[in-house]
Amino acid sequence: DQQVKQNSPSLSVQEGRISILNCDYTNSMFDYFLWYKKYPAEGPTFLISISSIKDKNEDGRFTVFLNKSAKHLSLHIVPSQPGDSAVYFCAASAYGGATNKLIFGTGTLLAVQP
Amino acid sequence: EAQVTQNPRYLITVTGKKLTVTCSQNMNHEYMSWYRQDPGLGLRQIYYSMNVEVTDKGDVPEGYKVSRKEKRNFPLILESPSPNQTSLYFCASSFGLTNTGELFFGEGSRLTVL
Repeated sequence: DQQVKQNSPSLSVQEGRISILNCDYTNSMFDYFLWYKKYPAEGPTFLISISSIKDKNEDGRFTVFLNKSAKHLSLHIVPSQPGDSAVYFCAASAYGGATNKLIFGTGTLLAVQP
Repeated sequence: EAQVTQNPRYLITVTGKKLTVTCSQNMNHEYMSWYRQDPGLGLRQIYYSMNVEVTDKGDVPEGYKVSRKEKRNFPLILESPSPNQTSLYFCASSFGLTNTGELFFGEGSRLTVL
């Protein structure tokens, strides 16, 4: 059973517009959430995280929103750039950010069109 | 340059022929792990190691072995590969069981078992 779900396999956005990537989870014990970004032929790289005690975390053009009641988090990229084109994985943990307990989603391929 | 290095990057083999995928990190990380990425399933943890001589099963350990004799190396062993182990494999490392969830991934090893 997939505890972390990314229901949109792909998303296409125009350069300069906002990209919104969504992630839903089922385990109410999850208390820490992350986004990783993956380019082709490379490994995933950490992008941004959020603890369940917060509902928003911002880092430059990237903002993650957490809605605990809906068990939903989203990643906003504003403005989107062609270099943001990649696969984005959300991940969750019920043990803080303990790296041995991360559950990853299936990924969303973002294509930013020039 | 800080990195996680996997070899081979690409491999085609046949059922039953033992193989080893090597992983080495130069960041003096205590924690290392292996993931496999499959379409529609995301990243799933195979095995992890919290330190030298300490290993534990992840979510999908069947058919795999690991060893951690040195801090920098964490090879993944497929004693008798089967076609269902055809996948993209990632090695990752971090400073202990960090509470940031930040893993450093290798570039991946694409394995095909015929």
